[in-house]
Amino acid sequence: EAQVTQNPRYLITVTGKKLTVTCSQNMNHEYMSWYRQDPGLGLRQIYYSMNVEVTDKGDVPEGYKVSRKEKRNFPLILESPSPNQTSLYFCASSSDRGQGSYGYTFGSGTRLTVV
Amino acid sequence: QKEVEQNSGPLSVPEGAIASLNCTYSDRGSQSFFWYRQYSGKSPELIMFIYSNGDKEDGRFTAQLNKASQYVSLLIRDSQPSDSATYLCAVIPSFGTGTRLTIIP
Repeated sequence: EAQVTQNPRYLITVTGKKLTVTCSQNMNHEYMSWYRQDPGLGLRQIYYSMNVEVTDKGDVPEGYKVSRKEKRNFPLILESPSPNQTSLYFCASSSDRGQGSYGYTFGSGTRLTVV
Repeated sequence: QKEVEQNSGPLSVPEGAIASLNCTYSDRGSQSFFWYRQYSGKSPELIMFIYSNGDKEDGRFTAQLNKASQYVSLLIRDSQPSDSATYLCAVIPSFGTGTRLTIIP
């Protein structure tokens, strides 16, 4: 089954404790992206990657890091999480290299709470 | 950045009626437009996409695009309670904040 897999689904952590949210897709997509979703603000892009070893900032990159060492994986790293990073996070992938011609396939989401 | 705006609702529609959802976008050069459905606590699911001016129909769903007015809409005919969700308009990589739709039995 074609899918984007995120882990974990739920995560509660403390301020300052480094964490990684994993994302993997099995569709051989070149384009992958991370979004956060907050009430009233909608989906906002954090980082994206058009190919292996190519990443770029989205609208809200502060406090986040990403890497793309393999085509299928695109982990999101919070080196020192803060409470304002409490949010619902989605990983997404697309076959169109980011031109926006095709839609995204989204992962199931990760609900992160930072206390 | 391509800004996308939607009326946040909530929009309440009786079962069996037509639900009409609207979206405007700022980038006149945009070419591809998407509608996603998102149930509470779930991930967005692609339900329609449209590239050309006019209407595109898929079952009970019709997407309408007017590039001159920078306007996209989604019509849901014969609305069902299972259509109750938040509908997101997207001009990739930007998303509107969504319109919450409730179908009243």
